[in-house]
Amino acid sequence: QQQVKQSPQSLIVQKGGISIINCAYENTAFDYFPWYQQFPGKGPALLIAIRPDVSEKKEGRFTISFNKSAKQFSLHIMDSQPGDSATYFCAASMEYGNKLVFGAGTILRVKS
Amino acid sequence: DTEVTQTPKHLVMGMTNKKSLKCEQHMGHRAMYWYKQKAKKPPELMFVYSYEKLSINESVPSRFSPECPNSSLLNLHLHALQPEDSALYLCASSQVPSPPTNEKLFFGSGTQLSVL
Repeated sequence: QQQVKQSPQSLIVQKGGISIINCAYENTAFDYFPWYQQFPGKGPALLIAIRPDVSEKKEGRFTISFNKSAKQFSLHIMDSQPGDSATYFCAASMEYGNKLVFGAGTILRVKS
Repeated sequence: DTEVTQTPKHLVMGMTNKKSLKCEQHMGHRAMYWYKQKAKKPPELMFVYSYEKLSINESVPSRFSPECPNSSLLNLHLHALQPEDSALYLCASSQVPSPPTNEKLFFGSGTQLSVL
């Protein structure tokens, strides 16, 4: 119940294309869903986050879509660029917990 | 200053050595974290300090000993490690959770540890 399942494991997208990464969860107590981006040799950095009271959040080229009934959320990267090549982790947590539960990660490669 | 600074960046140690990892932040955050990350895996939580007190220990072996000397510093003391402890050790900080919680985690770049 504490797991967050992330897919795909890896993704190759052409420059200018749309990258889509999906996550699913079981624990309905989760109420905070961030996405982290990690470049080689660096720590993860928060990209964008959503709470279940909205179905979509957009920040620049990055959009989170959230489906509460299906217990799924996804990251869309529009106009993907080679500089977006990184590992992306979805995560989830409960309101009163310090612990983030991470997905397994998706390695994104954007080909120029 | 929105940085979490970790030293050293790389560390090689033998199984009988004692070493320490250091982490520093000056964002006024009162929650600090140690994570362990194996290659191609997500970060795994080890310890959480809130207001300089240990609030979460994720059943980490005693060969890892955390310390929070003040609100800006976090140490991880290492002793008698095993080769399987080789990993990237990440420090993070955030505001102390209060509704809405789990405010943005700021991660450092990590210490890449190799145990021989």
